[in-house]
Amino acid sequence: DQQVKQNSPSLSVQEGRISILNCDYTNSMFDYFLWYKKYPAEGPTFLISISSIKDKNEDGRFTVFLNKSAKHLSLHIVPSQPGDSAVYFCAASGRIQTGANNLFFGTGTRLTVIP
Amino acid sequence: EAGVTQFPSHSVIEKGQTVTLRCDPISGHDNLYWYRRVMGKEIKFLLHFVKESKQDESGMPNNRFLAERTGGTYSTLKVQPAELEDSGVYFCASGSTGSGNTIYFGEGSWLTVV
Repeated sequence: DQQVKQNSPSLSVQEGRISILNCDYTNSMFDYFLWYKKYPAEGPTFLISISSIKDKNEDGRFTVFLNKSAKHLSLHIVPSQPGDSAVYFCAASGRIQTGANNLFFGTGTRLTVIP
Repeated sequence: EAGVTQFPSHSVIEKGQTVTLRCDPISGHDNLYWYRRVMGKEIKFLLHFVKESKQDESGMPNNRFLAERTGGTYSTLKVQPAELEDSGVYFCASGSTGSGNTIYFGEGSWLTVV
């Protein structure tokens, strides 16, 4: 049973506009959330993270919002650039089970930014 | 500073053969993870080392998979004997104790079992 879900497999956005990628999770024990970006034939690259004690974290063009009551987070990219075209993975972790900090990933959303 | 490196980058083997994947974590990172992504699906956790000890191996699919991290530096993941459903990308990641839950991935080892 998937604990982290990205329901949109793909998203296309015009260059300069805002990209919004969504992620939902089911496990209320998760307390740390991350976004990774992945280009073809490369490993996931860490992009931005947020702790459950915050509801927003901003880093340049990237902002992550966390809504704990809805168990939902989103990644906003503004303005979007063609180089942002990649697969974006949402991931979550927490002190669950044995306390291992392994990450639970969503299936990814492929973002295409159209020039 | 070198990132997480994995070898081989691609491997094609026949069903029943053995493959060994290697991961060199970022220098100084005590935590080393193996993940796997089967075609089009989510990236799934396999196991977690803290130095040379297995902290969590709950994601290992079955006993055909064996991971080691002798000396607490590089790690190997052996699949023996390989089956068709083992095909996928095997990612290694590492993280330091002080970096929270942020881990850094290698480029992956693409395994195709035919």
